[in-house]
Amino acid sequence: GNSVTQMEGPVTLSEEAFLTINCTYTATGYPSLFWYVQYPGEGLQLLLKATKADDKGSNKGFEATYRKETTSFHLEKGSVQVSDSAVYFCALCSNFGNEKLTFGTGTRLTIIP
Amino acid sequence: GAGVSQSPSNKVTEKGKDVELRCDPISGHTALYWYRQSLGQGLEFLIYFQGNSAPDKSGLPSDRFSAERTGGSVSTLTIQRTQQEDSAVYLCASSLVLAGGQETQYFGPGTRLLVL
Repeated sequence: GNSVTQMEGPVTLSEEAFLTINCTYTATGYPSLFWYVQYPGEGLQLLLKATKADDKGSNKGFEATYRKETTSFHLEKGSVQVSDSAVYFCALCSNFGNEKLTFGTGTRLTIIP
Repeated sequence: GAGVSQSPSNKVTEKGKDVELRCDPISGHTALYWYRQSLGQGLEFLIYFQGNSAPDKSGLPSDRFSAERTGGSVSTLTIQRTQQEDSAVYLCASSLVLAGGQETQYFGPGTRLLVL
């Protein structure tokens, strides 16, 4: 079946540091890949997505590239801000009829000034 | 426009009672999903509705859980004879379904359920 493995947290960084949150997946076929973010007290929001190999998703300074050869979709940001503190979830859907999302366990990120 | 809404936002109940959770999807979205977010299990899929097709119930953890979607819009998730392990945040999401597959799922704020 499908599965997503992401970097265990919590992660604490100083403002303006470089961020990487690793995500790898197992899936049949050609899944679509997503990063969702959950800010404190808020619901899940889509951060970025990529639907085919070598696509790069980007939003709010975050980027992730769909790497089929390494089955990875690592999230990166060059300079984090305090407002980026949140829980980040990597997810996939298999595009075979039922497009349910399979999520990783989430990574809690805290940015300190 | 309005996003996905869920009610109640919080629910405290006693073990053994039944609860109903409601989801109003984004207008025009034909696909509706229920997920559960709990400390021990992370985010897990429960059930999926798409148009008039039979729902995919493969994620429901037991026969105490059921869901329906009336008129292709509002959905209700019912948990009968609640147990303490049912305590979690129940999330609803909706999306369009277009030729070519997956569209973005938009999530509601969730219902936080606590079973005492």
